[in-house]
Amino acid sequence: GNSVTQMEGPVTLSEEAFLTINCTYTATGYPSLFWYVQYPGEGLQLLLKATKADDKGSNKGFEATYRKETTSFHLEKGSVQVSDSAVYFCAPSVQGAQKLVFGQGTRLTINP
Amino acid sequence: NAGVTQTPKFQVLKTGQSMTLQCAQDMNHNSMYWYRQDPGMGLRLIYYSASEGTTDKGEVPNGYNVSRLNKREFSLRLESAAPSQTSVYFCASNEQFFGPGTRLTVL
Repeated sequence: GNSVTQMEGPVTLSEEAFLTINCTYTATGYPSLFWYVQYPGEGLQLLLKATKADDKGSNKGFEATYRKETTSFHLEKGSVQVSDSAVYFCAPSVQGAQKLVFGQGTRLTINP
Repeated sequence: NAGVTQTPKFQVLKTGQSMTLQCAQDMNHNSMYWYRQDPGMGLRLIYYSASEGTTDKGEVPNGYNVSRLNKREFSLRLESAAPSQTSVYFCASNEQFFGPGTRLTVL
């Protein structure tokens, strides 16, 4: 079955630092890949997605590229802000089943 | 559009009590989902409904039942609550749109 491994947190960075949160997955077929963000006390919000190999998803300065050869979908941002402090979840979908498999989440804290 | 709405926001139950968590979406989506979120474990799928009239088990269905009442509404029922069901419950539609969550405590 599908599974996903995310970089363990918590991750603490200073404002304007470069961010990478690693995500690798195992899946049959060709899943779509998603990153979600959860701010304190809120539900999950879709941050970005990619539906096929070599696609790059981007939103709010975050980017992730679908790497089929390494089964990875690492999240990056060039210059983080305090407002980016949240928990980030990587999730591949199960092809043909319309289901997501979530990683355990990575808590990110940005200090001013 | 309200998106995905959930009620209630908070609930405290005693062991053995029953309750239904309500979820509705106004985006005309076919698929709807119930997840639970526990500390350090990410989200786990309880049940999902690919379309009106169909429901399927997810990863952790034991102790729960669901009803896809119509295209808009997808409810989750706990028939006899247990402390292990203390969690935050999220409803979602179309894989990508999540409700604000219901925080449930079972004493």
